[in-house]
Amino acid sequence: KAGVTQTPRYLIKTRGQQVTLSCSPISGHRSVSWYQQTPGQGLQFLFEYFSETQRNKGNFPGRFSGRQFSNSRSEMNVSTLELGDSALYLCASSLEGGSNQPQHFGDGTRLSIL
Amino acid sequence: GDSVTQMEGPVTLSEEAFLTINCTYTATGYPSLFWYVQYPGEGLQLLLKATKADDKGSNKGFEATYRKETTSFHLEKGSVQVSDSAVYFCALSDLGGYNKLIFGAGTRLAVHP
Repeated sequence: KAGVTQTPRYLIKTRGQQVTLSCSPISGHRSVSWYQQTPGQGLQFLFEYFSETQRNKGNFPGRFSGRQFSNSRSEMNVSTLELGDSALYLCASSLEGGSNQPQHFGDGTRLSIL
Repeated sequence: GDSVTQMEGPVTLSEEAFLTINCTYTATGYPSLFWYVQYPGEGLQLLLKATKADDKGSNKGFEATYRKETTSFHLEKGSVQVSDSAVYFCALSDLGGYNKLIFGAGTRLAVHP
């Protein structure tokens, strides 16, 4: 069974640009969550989608947005990039999104802002 | 709000030594608890989980017991290997948060031959 796939693995952008990251969940998983990992702040929750609806959102500015498609694939977008957005962005999927269900993570997209 | 506190690393051990990584949490209600492991250049892998008090999660020789009275979920392994070198994250699942995981800061483990 294929795992969670994130593309691209690496991205380099400059300040002010925007970026879109993609996540394909494990087949049959309908919940997709996004996390930002930085050395200073650690792992922080961005948002979660289920059946194309955002059910929960972390404490990030509106420049961070996402969506989910009918096949459960998800994208996140960051507009007007800042140096502080440099991070590893991780996507995770689970079956239904219940609190006792384990989440399965992809290998992440490493975003570097110059 | 909910939070997770892990012992600071790095933890450096010799092969076959006993491992303990401490994890305590603050939460309303009874969250599910998880340990994840991250190898260099990779995402997080679920190591084990426990969903209620006194549950013991175990996998690959690692164990952790959900202790409600001490709000702890310490990770243990009786004999570590060089291949266990990685960063370990303790996490809880926010009960009202639809899959929102709250992570500890992570503990780096280095095992030497």
